[in-house]
Amino acid sequence: QKEVEQNSGPLSVPEGAIASLNCTYSDRGSQSFFWYRQYSGKSPELIMSIYSNGDKEDGRFTAQLNKASQYVSLLIRDSQPSDSATYLCAARNVGSWGKLQFGAGTQVVVTP
Amino acid sequence: SQTIHQWPATLVQPVGSPLSLECTVEGTSNPNLYWYRQAAGRGLQLLFYSVGIGQISSEVPQNLSASRPQDRQFILSSKKLLLSDSGFYLCAWSSPPGRTEAFFGQGTRLTVV
Repeated sequence: QKEVEQNSGPLSVPEGAIASLNCTYSDRGSQSFFWYRQYSGKSPELIMSIYSNGDKEDGRFTAQLNKASQYVSLLIRDSQPSDSATYLCAARNVGSWGKLQFGAGTQVVVTP
Repeated sequence: SQTIHQWPATLVQPVGSPLSLECTVEGTSNPNLYWYRQAAGRGLQLLFYSVGIGQISSEVPQNLSASRPQDRQFILSSKKLLLSDSGFYLCAWSSPPGRTEAFFGQGTRLTVV
């Protein structure tokens, strides 16, 4: 069973602090990784993609990938109440016709 | 720019009734198309994917079927709904050959009563 695993949370983060989210995957053939943000009752919104080992920064978000250890992480700096949402980690095997394997998501709650 | 439309946004259907959810993509050609379902508090489960007109692959045996009558149209159907079909249904697209991001429609909240 190819799986993507995340801590379900909730992860409580004070406003202005850094939120750190982790994700592990079991399929060593996974080549592309994505972080989606999902507000309650809404559809997932892509916030980051990462394909190579190392860090990728986009505004307040930093994605980190370590293929040897099979984990992906997302850092949210200067967390805001609007960052309160569920964050979904997804992985794609290059030979899988673009199918995304999703984790169950980590709920983040930013407290003022 | 590419956009994806999915409707209806919400749907309440009795057990045993048929279902038809539609999804269309604009601004791209020959997209890969996907139907996902999300149960309450759970992750996304891939139901069907399609790499071209008439080409449908099913991931999970179930009470549902999918069709792709046109390049940018993807339809999810059922002949007789079950209570367990309730959930949040999401259509998504990605550009072939499938190495890029997937983008989601607004979703359909289906409640079977």
